Amino acid sequence: SQQGEEDPQALSIQEGENATMNCSYKTSINNLQWYRQNSGRGLVHLILIRSNEREKHSGRLRVTLDTSKKSSSLLITASRAADTASYFCATDHHDYKLSFGAGTTVTVRA
Amino acid sequence: GAVVSQHPSRVICKSGTSVKIECRSLDFQATTMFWYRQFPKKSLMLMATSNEGSKATYEQGVEKDKFLINHASLTLSTLTVTSAHPEDSSFYICSANRDRQADIQYFGAGTRLSVL
Repeated sequence: SQQGEEDPQALSIQEGENATMNCSYKTSINNLQWYRQNSGRGLVHLILIRSNEREKHSGRLRVTLDTSKKSSSLLITASRAADTASYFCATDHHDYKLSFGAGTTVTVRA
Repeated sequence: GAVVSQHPSRVICKSGTSVKIECRSLDFQATTMFWYRQFPKKSLMLMATSNEGSKATYEQGVEKDKFLINHASLTLSTLTVTSAHPEDSSFYICSANRDRQADIQYFGAGTRLSVL
């Protein structure tokens, strides 16, 4: 069943700006992951944060996790046109299956 | 990295025919593969979990006789959409774990199915 809800649904920013998107979920998790999907393609794993972690960085990506609020955020700094894609959060609820959010469509304008 | 190949990327078929989609892990053995369905501008809905050498586990509401899954080897899982109808038109994506303990899923590029 779908657990994650993402906000906003769509985001349009200028190249060089930061993009922030949020994900909320309903039940306890083992970990939370963020994936990226280019139009009409499969998903690419970006970053995983475990339930006992609060923040994680990978290149221009920063992910936070607040288990008390059951929410996570993904920040993309210094965005580039190539960052244009849909971004999905996915939660692992201790069963190795992933429940995906509805996604945030990010458009980076050159 | 871990590469998952999905074939075909696009298929158009007549109503009533069956369509087979292949998902292969190219550089690792995948004991578990997952099949998802994605509607336009929507999230991925897990259809079933495919386990090598055993029957697939289907999510609630997914017809196992409609969507046949075979995971005959550690590198190949197939999804067959039987007697396809226009409402089966969708984007189907597979993914694989490196092993049962792995957290990260590696995705194929997806298959766009259009049933006329």
